This record gives sequence, C-alpha cells and structure tokens, in this order.
Amino acid sequence: GQNIDQPTEMTATEGAIVQINCTYQTSGFNGLFWYQQHAGEAPTFLSYNVLDGLEEKGRFSSFLSRSKGYSYLLLKELQMKDSASYLCAVRDSNYQLIWGAGTKLIIKP
Amino acid sequence: IAGITQAPTSQILAAGRRMTLRCTQDMRHNAMYWYRQDLGLGLRLIHYSNTAGTTGKGEVPDGYSVSRANTDDFPLTLASAVPSQTSVYFCASSQDRGGADTQYFGPGTRLTVL
Repeated sequence: GQNIDQPTEMTATEGAIVQINCTYQTSGFNGLFWYQQHAGEAPTFLSYNVLDGLEEKGRFSSFLSRSKGYSYLLLKELQMKDSASYLCAVRDSNYQLIWGAGTKLIIKP
Repeated sequence: IAGITQAPTSQILAAGRRMTLRCTQDMRHNAMYWYRQDLGLGLRLIHYSNTAGTTGKGEVPDGYSVSRANTDDFPLTLASAVPSQTSVYFCASSQDRGGADTQYFGPGTRLTVL
C-alpha cells in the first residue's frame, strides 16, 4: 500500500528553527509537496520538490532524497503565525496526490 | 469572486437525505478535485476531473457522485447520506494534473450526518 509518515505534533520556540520530517512509500514518484493548514482553514501551497536537494523560499526550505523516500520542511526564525499543521503529499505514478495526516506545529513564546 | 468558493459553509443533515456540495472556481483551471479530511487521516481524494466533461474516481468514491458540465463548476452529490460521511469536504483545482501544478483549495464544507 501507499504510505506517508509524519510526526503527529511538534513544539518549538518563537525565533528558533524546526525541521518536520516526511517519509513515503508510494507507487511511483512524480513530485513531493508541502502545504500549510491553519486550524479551520484550507491548505495552502508551500513548496514542491521533484529532484534531490534543497529548495529554499524565504524562511522555509524543503529537502528531498528520492533514494531514501524522505523529505523535510525546515522553518527558520519561527513566528507565532507559523503555528499550523504542515501536510506532506506525494504525487504517485497515476498523478494522484497521496497525503500524510499532517504535523501540528505549536509555537511557544 | 476570486479563487475557489464552496457552499454551504456547514450543514447538518439527516441520514438518508440527498445533499449536493457546490464548488466554483474562476481561475479557468482544467483539473478539479474533491477531498474529505477526517481527524488523524490525510486528505483523501473522492473524485476528480481532468477537464470539463470528464470525471474519475479517487481513493474513496463510494456513496458520492460528481459532474463537470463546464470548466468552473464541480458539484459533489451524496445520494443518500450516512453518518460515516461526516467530514470536512474540500474542493480544489489546478491548471492540470501533472508537473509542479499546485492545487488551490476552497474554504471547505463541514458536513455532519446524523
């Protein structure tokens, strides 16, 4: 079966750095996405990786290793507004997105 | 309107009733999707449409039907609602289904079936 694993919850301090890991086992691979979802709201796009390596976008970076079936999202200079769930999703061989259950990130002052 | 809208925002429904969730996008995207999101689970695809006039089944299609008569609208119908269909439903769209195409989500419909 297809599977995306992420930690259920993480806690970090305002101003610090946090890394959210995602491991996947899917039928084929056509890209990996990270989305942010605030409580009661819709998911919004953060990043996309299809080749191995690091993609940087402001305070957020995403890393991919296809051989290890592994990605992480790195958030720097954490702000209170970063408190949200972070969803990892992999596009499989049928171009369908397979979603992880999400990691709830709690930021403390 | 800008982006994707969904209606209603929330609904309480008696089991056995028929219900249509509405979704409209104004971005002229070819592909549209319906997901359900349940606590502790990832988003699960119910149905999708690659382009107007075509639809396909996702991971959890049973009990749901869709139509795509034009580019903008993609309604989801529950023919006879059951309590297990209590969930938050998200409609999404993307330019196409491949490559780096980002999916844009509507605000969601919170459905409770009693």
